[in-house]
Amino acid sequence: GQQVMQIPQYQHVQEGEDFTTYCNSSTTLSNIQWYKQRPGGHPVFLIQLVKSGEVKKQKRLTFQFGEAKKNSSLHITATQTTDVGTYFCAGMNYGGSQGNLIFGKGTKLSVKP
Amino acid sequence: KAGVTQTPRYLIKTRGQQVTLSCSPISGHRSVSWYQQTPGQGLQFLFEYFSETQRNKGNFPGRFSGRQFSNSRSEMNVSTLELGDSALYLCASRNQGPAGTGELFFGEGSRLTVL
Repeated sequence: GQQVMQIPQYQHVQEGEDFTTYCNSSTTLSNIQWYKQRPGGHPVFLIQLVKSGEVKKQKRLTFQFGEAKKNSSLHITATQTTDVGTYFCAGMNYGGSQGNLIFGKGTKLSVKP
Repeated sequence: KAGVTQTPRYLIKTRGQQVTLSCSPISGHRSVSWYQQTPGQGLQFLFEYFSETQRNKGNFPGRFSGRQFSNSRSEMNVSTLELGDSALYLCASRNQGPAGTGELFFGEGSRLTVL
């Protein structure tokens, strides 16, 4: 079945450093979503990418969708302590029924002030 | 607009018992999905309901079941609980657009501990 792999599993950075998490799918995706889960909280939607090669920015966050629509990345510039949490990608495959989102296992980001 | 509401928030059960969890989606959302979250496995998809019909199911044993009512509220049931069922169960609703699109709005979750 479809798998979505996400790396790294953990990332510890000094405040001000950059951070990137990568997501790879075993199949072509129709779209990919990114979520952030703060410690003790629930996942919160960040963005959805649909087009091949799409790049979207939200302030210090940059999201990319690969040309083949099999991979994606989230890059945070100059991390802040408020960026702490686990970042999940979630891919939707083509075809079949209405489908469901398959989540990666997440990258847990810690930021040292 | 009220968010996704899950009850109960915390519960403790013993092996062999059964449990029912409830989820009230955001008003107007007809799609409700359930996920199991554990530290080792991340978020694993259980099932999705849309207009009272289960239209997707994850790779979980038959002990896990669910249903959706005409008001879009959903319940999931786990029978014959095992220790490994201890997890955070998250419900998410979606304002369904074209097939498969639309962000998920998650509830706070129901944290189940099986002793």
